[in-house]
Amino acid sequence: ELKVEQNPLFLSMQEGKNYTIYCNYSTTSDRLYWYRQDPGKSLESLFVLLSNGAVKQEGRLMASLDTKARLSTLHITAAVHDLSATYFCAVDMDSNYQLIWGAGTKLIIKP
Amino acid sequence: ETGVTQSPTHLIKTRGQQVTLRCSSQSGHNTVSWYQQALGQGPQFIFQYYREEENGRGNFPPRFSGLQFPNYSSELNVNALELDDSALYLCASSLVPLDREEETQYFGPGTRLLVL
Repeated sequence: ELKVEQNPLFLSMQEGKNYTIYCNYSTTSDRLYWYRQDPGKSLESLFVLLSNGAVKQEGRLMASLDTKARLSTLHITAAVHDLSATYFCAVDMDSNYQLIWGAGTKLIIKP
Repeated sequence: ETGVTQSPTHLIKTRGQQVTLRCSSQSGHNTVSWYQQALGQGPQFIFQYYREEENGRGNFPPRFSGLQFPNYSSELNVNALELDDSALYLCASSLVPLDREEETQYFGPGTRLLVL
């Protein structure tokens, strides 16, 4: 059974700092996604990672994938308050959108 | 805005009742997936419909059922509601097979169900 684990589950940090969220999964996978969710809102797609060594960047967020280690990271650079949200990674084993999700990392960025 | 809509936005039911939630897919998408997200947790895959047929199911009992219509809109039905069914229910539409490698699925705003 595929399991997806994120850590940390909660992160409080100051603006301007850097930090990394980790996502481990237990079996091979075709695709890995990162999503953002604001309180009471739906899910917004951030990144799709397809292959070993893939790196994607958008603004202050950078995601990477190591399929051999079954590990993805979401790195936040010089955090700003607007990045406060819950971040989820999700794994798609067969490229069929039947995703298995991590528990989420609740990120609070303090001014 | 993803183009995926869901109704209703909120719903209150009592234990034992039945509920129907609706989802309208993004134009051109032929697949809809439904997820249950309990408070403070990640989404759990319920099932997926592709061209009106169930195309995969997560670990949910048969009282969770669905339909997909020719226009690719979809319904999620839950019978004999239990307190633990209280959650945010999300639908996501997508195009299968993948039109391009980096395609993703698009989520609706969700229906928040409270079972008393």
